[in-house]
Amino acid sequence: DAGVTQSPTHLIKTRGQQVTLRCSPISGHKSVSWYQQVLGQGPQFIFQYYEKEERGRGNFPDRFSARQFPNYSSELNVNALLLGDSALYLCASSLGLGSYEQYFGPGTRLTVT
Amino acid sequence: TQLLEQSPQFLSIQEGENLTVYCNSSSVFSSLQWYRQEPGEGPVLLVTVVTGGEVKKLKRLTFQFGDARKDSSLHITAAQPGDTGLYLCALRTAGNKLTFGGGTRVLVKP
Repeated sequence: DAGVTQSPTHLIKTRGQQVTLRCSPISGHKSVSWYQQVLGQGPQFIFQYYEKEERGRGNFPDRFSARQFPNYSSELNVNALLLGDSALYLCASSLGLGSYEQYFGPGTRLTVT
Repeated sequence: TQLLEQSPQFLSIQEGENLTVYCNSSSVFSSLQWYRQEPGEGPVLLVTVVTGGEVKKLKRLTFQFGDARKDSSLHITAAQPGDTGLYLCALRTAGNKLTFGGGTRVLVKP
């Protein structure tokens, strides 16, 4: 079975631009979470979606938004990009909100210049 | 907000040596997970520890949960170059959200 997939792999944007990152969960998984990993640090929780509803939001500004589609795939949008948004954006999927293992995708490396 | 501190931040050793990395919190946690992340990949779950004093072994990796459930350690015996990576500890909070420590970067030189 395919694991969590993310696209694109790498992305370079300019300050002020907008970006959309995509994630496809493992088949049968209904929950998707997004994490930001700045170079040299551990991942930080951004959003969690379950059954197309937002179930959690981390300490990130309103420039960050996300949604989950009926097929459980998800998009993360970031508006008005700042240099500090440069990071690896990780998507994780799990069966649900309980004590299920989260499986991470390889991430999208975003560079803002 | 419960924070996790990992130490050391970076560890470089020769193949065959042993190493230990630590994860500490100021508060008691109910369960702790350890992940390994290799370059270009997402974190992969190694183990979940839930009971104070618990010890789990995964081949050459030994995970220990402190009796007071405020600290945990990961010990690797006879490290191999394939053990190179970023080791992360994480708390699983309500709703299956993860809070990660800053990580320990391990480099095992052949």
